[in-house]
Amino acid sequence: EAQVTQNPRYLITVTGKKLTVTCSQNMNHEYMSWYRQDPGLGLRQIYYSMNVEVTDKGDVPEGYKVSRKEKRNFPLILESPSPNQTSLYFCASRQGANRGSYNEQFFGPGTRLTVL
Amino acid sequence: QQQVKQSPQSLIVQKGGISIINCAYENTAFDYFPWYQQFPGKGPALLIAIRPDVSEKKEGRFTISFNKSAKQFSLHIMDSQPGDSATYFCAASSWGNTPLVFGKGTRLSVIA
Repeated sequence: EAQVTQNPRYLITVTGKKLTVTCSQNMNHEYMSWYRQDPGLGLRQIYYSMNVEVTDKGDVPEGYKVSRKEKRNFPLILESPSPNQTSLYFCASRQGANRGSYNEQFFGPGTRLTVL
Repeated sequence: QQQVKQSPQSLIVQKGGISIINCAYENTAFDYFPWYQQFPGKGPALLIAIRPDVSEKKEGRFTISFNKSAKQFSLHIMDSQPGDSATYFCAASSWGNTPLVFGKGTRLSVIA
């Protein structure tokens, strides 16, 4: 089954304790991205990656890191989480533009993070 | 700067009625306009999308209307059903590996 998976689905942590949220897709997609969803603010992009070893900042990158060492994986790293990073996080992937004009973006099931 | 403005924030519609959600964009380079549907506890999923070479696209009960001169597009859900209750996001992008820009979402509740 074609899908984007995220782990963990739920996480409660404390301020300053480094954490990583994993994201993996099995569709051989070039493009992957991370979003956070907050009430009243919609989906805001954190980082995106157009291919292996190519990453770029989205609209709200502060306090986050990403890496793209393999095509299928795109982990989100919070080096020193703070309470304002409490949110619902989504990973997404789609084929790159060189495969066609516009391609459907597939989202993972989400990770609900609470930072105390 | 919000590039895609979506309204209303929430919407309550009677079963069988028409749900209408509107979006407006600013960037004239946008030429791809998808709508995503999100059920509670799930990630958003593509519902329907349109390109500006057509003014309307229909898939079942869902229709996108597009007005290029006004830089507006809208989602119409005909014969709304309780199962349509979800959050709907409009989005926009231009060709290539450019990010999708999302509206803030509309929470739709269809009541019997």
